[in-house]
Amino acid sequence: KAGVTQTPRYLIKTRGQQVTLSCSPISGHRSVSWYQQTPGQGLQFLFEYFSETQRNKGNFPGRFSGRQFSNSRSEMNVSTLELGDSALYLCASSFLAGNTGELFFGEGSRLTVL
Amino acid sequence: QKEVEQDPGPLSVPEGAIVSLNCTYSNSAFQYFMWYRQYSRKGPELLMYTYSSGNKEDGRFTAQVDKSSKYISLFIRDSQPSDSATYLCAMRELVSGGGADGLTFGKGTHLIIQP
Repeated sequence: KAGVTQTPRYLIKTRGQQVTLSCSPISGHRSVSWYQQTPGQGLQFLFEYFSETQRNKGNFPGRFSGRQFSNSRSEMNVSTLELGDSALYLCASSFLAGNTGELFFGEGSRLTVL
Repeated sequence: QKEVEQDPGPLSVPEGAIVSLNCTYSNSAFQYFMWYRQYSRKGPELLMYTYSSGNKEDGRFTAQVDKSSKYISLFIRDSQPSDSATYLCAMRELVSGGGADGLTFGKGTHLIIQP
């Protein structure tokens, strides 16, 4: 059974640009969550989608957005990139949403903002 | 005060030793507790998942939750060099109606098992 797939794995952008990251969940999983991981702040919750609806959003500015498609694949977008957006962006999928979902993470997309 | 506190380490122990990793938390609404292992340049991998106080065992791993003290632990028996990784605790609130925030993670403990 294939795991969570994230693309691209690595990317470099400059300040002011925007970026779109993609996530394909484990087959049959309908919930997708996104997390940002930095050395200083650790793993922080961005948002969660289930059945194409955003269920929850973490404490990030509106420059961070996402969506989920009918096949459960998800994308997240960061506009007007800042240096502080450099991070590993992790996608996680689960069969159930909310309380009882056990999350399975992808390997992440490492974004460097210059 | 951060919601979840975890000693970043590094924690270095000899092969075969029993390892104890710990997290404390301040939010009494946390009801679901997990431990993840993350190797360098990889995503976190779920090790243990529990929602009740007490112990849960899976092979060489034992997760312990004490909700009254707001303290969780992960014990690794017969530690191996392949256990060298960063271990992250994570927690989630119980919210009525089925909704929930995402996981709140500790910053992780870097564990080194010396051969």
